[in-house]
Amino acid sequence: EPEVTQTPSHQVTQMGQEVILRCVPISNHLYFYWYRQILGQKVEFLVSFYNNEISEKSEIFDDQFSVERPDGSNFTLKIRSTKLEDSAMYFCASSYSLNEQFFGPGTRLTVL
Amino acid sequence: EDKVVQSPLSLVVHEGDTVTLNCSYEVTNFRSLLWYKQEKKAPTFLFMLTSSGIEKKSGRLSSILDKKELSSILNITATQTGDSAIYLCAVGSGNTGKLIFGQGTTLQVKP
Repeated sequence: EPEVTQTPSHQVTQMGQEVILRCVPISNHLYFYWYRQILGQKVEFLVSFYNNEISEKSEIFDDQFSVERPDGSNFTLKIRSTKLEDSAMYFCASSYSLNEQFFGPGTRLTVL
Repeated sequence: EDKVVQSPLSLVVHEGDTVTLNCSYEVTNFRSLLWYKQEKKAPTFLFMLTSSGIEKKSGRLSSILDKKELSSILNITATQTGDSAIYLCAVGSGNTGKLIFGQGTTLQVKP
């Protein structure tokens, strides 16, 4: 069964460093998303991406964040200068239409 | 502000019990309501509901949406220890696919 994959599973970085989180969505899906979940809190929407552009972003998704689909398979989230409060589990999701989204296993980001 | 609220926040039952999990929402531009099960990491999809009053069923799990009451329930009958997980309710808003999540219900099923 096709699934969304994410790498790395765990990333530790120093405050102020740039990180890139990678996702491979399900191959025939057209819509791509990033969410995050701070430990003990709700899953929060960050950004949605369709047709090679951002379709919606949340208030959390400020200028420090960017997304890219550099080729036909990868979907990346970049945080330019990480802060302590960026520590969270980051989930990538994809969907074929605006219906059920399928989530990857997540990348745990720890900012020291 | 859009919000999704789940209740109870946690629940402990014994194998064989039936449980009902609740989700209520106040979301502009409602598109759909989805239920996910989160065990260790990734939420796994259970149901998507768009029409009021139509029950969706998968094995021992079932769910229904009430658009008048802005709520949904997830029922699990004859619970098993493998049902222990966090159950997430999410509401799809607008035409970008954005999901707004509730805080989840943690279900523990004891043998």
